[in-house]
Amino acid sequence: EDKVVQSPLSLVVHEGDTVTLNCSYEVTNFRSLLWYKQEKKAPTFLFMLTSSGIEKKSGRLSSILDKKELFSILNITATQTGDSAIYLCAVAKTGTASKLTFGTGTRLQVTL
Amino acid sequence: DVKVTQSSRYLVKRTGEKVFLECVQDMDHENMFWYRQDPGLGLRLIYFSYDVKMKEKGDIPEGYSVSREKKERFSLILESASTNQTSMYLCASNTYTDTQYFGPGTRLTVL
Repeated sequence: EDKVVQSPLSLVVHEGDTVTLNCSYEVTNFRSLLWYKQEKKAPTFLFMLTSSGIEKKSGRLSSILDKKELFSILNITATQTGDSAIYLCAVAKTGTASKLTFGTGTRLQVTL
Repeated sequence: DVKVTQSSRYLVKRTGEKVFLECVQDMDHENMFWYRQDPGLGLRLIYFSYDVKMKEKGDIPEGYSVSREKKERFSLILESASTNQTSMYLCASNTYTDTQYFGPGTRLTVL
C-alpha cells in the first residue's frame, strides 16, 4: 500500500525562525512529489519535484527531493505569521492519470 | 489563472437526504477529482474523472457517486447522507501535469 508520512504533525515557532518540514514516502513507480500550502480554504501549489538533489526555491521557501532515501524536505526561512498554515505533501505515480496520494499534513503556527 | 469553484462553502443536511456537491473549472482540464479531508487523515480520494462521462473509484468511494456530463463540471452525489460523511470536500482539476488545482472546499455537516 502506498504511504506518504509527514512530520512533525504540528509545530509552533516564533516569527523569524527557520523551519524544516519532512515528507517520506513509500510508493511504487514514483513520478513526482508535490508540496501544497493550505490556509483557510483551497490548498495552493508550492513546488513539484521530480529529480533528486535539485533544490526548488521560491522566496523564503525551498524544497529538495532525495529519491534514494525516499524523502523530501520543505524549508521556510525567516518565518512570518502569514506562513501559518497546513503544509501538505503528495506523491504521483506513473500511469495513474495524475492521481495524488497525500500525507496527513503538518500544521505550522508562527507566533509573534 | 486556473479557477475551480464549488457550489457551496457550507452545507447542512439531514441524515438520509440526497446531497449534490458541484464543482466547475474554467481551464478545459481533462481530469477532475473529489477528495474529502478529515483531521488526522489528510486528503483522501473519493472519485476522479479523466474525461466526460468517464469515472474511476478512488480510495474511499463507498456511499458516493459522481457525474461528469460536461468537461468543466464534476458533481459528487451522496445518495443517502450519513453522519460519518460530515467532512470538508475538496474538488481539484488538472491536465497533463501532476499539479492539481483545488477549489475552496465545501464543509458539509450531516445531522
